[in-house]
Amino acid sequence: KAGVTQTPRYLIKTRGQQVTLSCSPISGHRSVSWYQQTPGQGLQFLFEYFSETQRNKGNFPGRFSGRQFSNSRSEMNVSTLELGDSALYLCASSRGVRSYEQYFGPGTRLTVT
Amino acid sequence: AQSVTQLGSHVSVSEGALVLLRCNYSSSVPPYLFWYVQYPNQGLQLLLKYTSAATLVKGINGFEAEFKKSETSFHLTKPSAHMSDAAEYFCAVSFYGGSQGNLIFGKGTKLSVKP
Repeated sequence: KAGVTQTPRYLIKTRGQQVTLSCSPISGHRSVSWYQQTPGQGLQFLFEYFSETQRNKGNFPGRFSGRQFSNSRSEMNVSTLELGDSALYLCASSRGVRSYEQYFGPGTRLTVT
Repeated sequence: AQSVTQLGSHVSVSEGALVLLRCNYSSSVPPYLFWYVQYPNQGLQLLLKYTSAATLVKGINGFEAEFKKSETSFHLTKPSAHMSDAAEYFCAVSFYGGSQGNLIFGKGTKLSVKP
């Protein structure tokens, strides 16, 4: 069974631009969560989607948004990029909205200059 | 509120030596606990999980962890370290929703293995 895939793997953007990251969950998994990982803050939860609905949201500004499609694929968008948004963005999928066993993708490394 | 503390941000062992990575948690309800491993430039891989069945949990790559309720601990061990074990390890506790998400992660412990 194919794992969680994330595209692109690497991105370099300029401050003020916006970016969209994509995540395809494991087949049959309906829940997708997004995390931001930085050396200083560690792993921080962004949001969770299940059945195209945001079920849970972390403490991030409104510049961070996401959505989920009917095939469970998810995208996250960051508008008006700031230098502090440079991070590894990880997507994780699980079977249901309260399935704690999450499977992670390889991540998208975003660098904001 | 649930939280996770990993003692030691860096641990160094010699190849063949015992690996012990410490994790303590706090939870107001019986927790589910997890250990994940992250290799450089990769995502997190699930090593093992505790979901209230056996207190000694065996995972992949020879790792195991023991749930000790009285000590609120879930330490990760491996009898003999291998060079390929060098990575960062994260302990996580389950949490029902809220702004922290379904999983709350510790800060991570970077394991180095010396030849």
